[in-house]
Amino acid sequence: GENVEQHPSTLSVQEGDSAVIKCTYSDSASNYFPWYKQELGKGPQLIIDIRSNVGEKKDQRIAVTLNKTAKHFSLHITETQPEDSAVYFCAASKRNAGNMLTFGGGTRLMVKP
Amino acid sequence: NAGVTQTPKFRVLKTGQSMTLLCAQDMNHEYMYWYRQDPGMGLRLIHYSVGEGTTAKGEVPDGYNVSRLKKQNFLLGLESAAPSQTSVYFCASSKTYTQYFGPGTRLTVL
Repeated sequence: GENVEQHPSTLSVQEGDSAVIKCTYSDSASNYFPWYKQELGKGPQLIIDIRSNVGEKKDQRIAVTLNKTAKHFSLHITETQPEDSAVYFCAASKRNAGNMLTFGGGTRLMVKP
Repeated sequence: NAGVTQTPKFRVLKTGQSMTLLCAQDMNHEYMYWYRQDPGMGLRLIHYSVGEGTTAKGEVPDGYNVSRLKKQNFLLGLESAAPSQTSVYFCASSKTYTQYFGPGTRLTVL
């Protein structure tokens, strides 16, 4: 089955700096890669996603890049703000009966004011 | 439009007790999922459903049962709770790929 690894597990940045979180996946058939943000005591919320026919996608301060050959994808947050502090999860999925997601272990991002 | 809701928010059980977690969605989604979240392990899929009346096993199904009698509801049952089932449980639903999550249920088994 699919295996998704996520690094780093914790990341501390100064407000205004950029943050990068990286994920690798094992199944070359995976074709959908979402990123979720989870605030304390809440459920994960989708912040951006990318499909395998696209190499990069951007939405304001966040962007995701995908390298299908190397089987890795990354989340980039620019001009970080204290409200970006949360746990971020990457995931991978391929078209199957349940469109199931396999999640990475998560990254705790701390943005220091 | 409430999205995905979960009942209850918190629950404490004794070993051997049973309980049912309820997930409801008002987005008319076909797919529904139950995950558990443990520290340092991300989210792991317990069971899922691709439509009313159907269920299937995920990555960690042992000790759990599910039912999807109505399209909008997905129930997760623990017949005989064990301390290893202490976790935060999340329900999600989707129309296609994108999954929308509920707020979670924190379950403690003593």
